[in-house]
Amino acid sequence: DADVTQTPRNRITKTGKRIMLECSQTKGHDRMYWYRQDPGLGLRLIYYSFDVKDINKGEISDGYSVSRQAQAKFSLSLESAIPNQTALYFCATSNGGVETQYFGPGTRLLVL
Amino acid sequence: GENVEQHPSTLSVQEGDSAVIKCTYSDSASNYFPWYKQELGKRPQLIIDIRSNVGEKKDQRIAVTLNKTAKHFSLHITETQPEDSAVYFCAPRDSNYQLIWGAGTKLIIKP
Repeated sequence: DADVTQTPRNRITKTGKRIMLECSQTKGHDRMYWYRQDPGLGLRLIYYSFDVKDINKGEISDGYSVSRQAQAKFSLSLESAIPNQTALYFCATSNGGVETQYFGPGTRLLVL
Repeated sequence: GENVEQHPSTLSVQEGDSAVIKCTYSDSASNYFPWYKQELGKRPQLIIDIRSNVGEKKDQRIAVTLNKTAKHFSLHITETQPEDSAVYFCAPRDSNYQLIWGAGTKLIIKP
């Protein structure tokens, strides 16, 4: 779905570095989510936001922070990256009471 | 919190046969039950969903059935085709209105 974009698509970083993953959407949705996907574990929710001034922790928020700069933008930061944060990261959006989530293409992160 | 289990973890079927994937959950307050499909290297996409006031829903070759008493719902794919090869995830919504994702089922369609 080209309406949800993520940058970068691939990133290699070193332990201890701060990195930011960005998500933008043109769907006009109010809700945005960050997930990580590890092999054999499905998707796990990191943070979610129902509106610009609303930020909520998900299942695995430790070591991550987020910023909702505008309705269309939701960024995920790793303040000090560690190797076990190596994963595929997905941003998703949804619209109000409609449950369907629309995913971005994913960012593949490798922490050395 | 919600515990979600999917079975089987891998399913291999002959092209043209049917496939069934089962998802069990623990939160009795769950009331929305979607299935997502993720093709290799792609993003997850919703393929079908059902709400707690309905027992079955069909969309062409796919269907979802729900047993709220037993706390499980299943994905049924009939007349499987090569393009059905993917990983399928159930993600029931818990009482906090968050989707809780199963570990996924890899469906392999043999020619």
